[in-house]
Amino acid sequence: DAGVIQSPRHEVTEMGQEVTLRCKPISGHDYLFWYRQTMMRGLELLIYFNNNVPIDDSGMPEDRFSAKMPNASFSTLKIQPSEPRDSAVYFCASSFWAGSRPQHFGDGTRLSIL
Amino acid sequence: SQQGEEDPQALSIQEGENATMNCSYKTSINNLQWYRQNSGRGLVHLILIRSNEREKHSGRLRVTLDTSKKSSSLLITASRAADTASYFCATDARAQGGSEKLVFGKGTKLTVNP
Repeated sequence: DAGVIQSPRHEVTEMGQEVTLRCKPISGHDYLFWYRQTMMRGLELLIYFNNNVPIDDSGMPEDRFSAKMPNASFSTLKIQPSEPRDSAVYFCASSFWAGSRPQHFGDGTRLSIL
Repeated sequence: SQQGEEDPQALSIQEGENATMNCSYKTSINNLQWYRQNSGRGLVHLILIRSNEREKHSGRLRVTLDTSKKSSSLLITASRAADTASYFCATDARAQGGSEKLVFGKGTKLTVNP
């Protein structure tokens, strides 16, 4: 079975540019999570969706970040405009009913903002 | 906010030895999960232990949970070089009103030397 698929795997762009990260969850999973991982702050939950509806976006750092899930098989995380401090690895994960189920992670997008 | 905190931050052992990692958390939980992350990859779920369980086994992994001390341990027996990875505990955020969310610690970096 295909796992969670993220694209691109690496992204290098200049400050001020728009960045779009993409995620395809595992088919049938009804929860989707976006995380950010840095050495300083560890793994932080940014936002999560249930049945394509955003449930909790309290982890989104600021208005420059937005996330959408137009259908059950696709989600995007957008940063506009990007800043050097946004450099991190961004992970998408999906699961069935979330609280007592394992989350399945993609291999992440390594984002570098110059 | 950080819920789980792993200890030690780094651990280096010889192949064949046992590795023990600890996790402490602050608030009540429904369950606790352990994940592994190989370098450059996403997190992989290892094992889930519920709050009413004290011990759980999966292959060479043994997890214990002490809810009175708010702590858990992960034991890897007869370690192999392939076990080299970072290990994270994750707790559900039940006490913070969101049981769907997982809160991850910063991880223990395990190195198994051949």
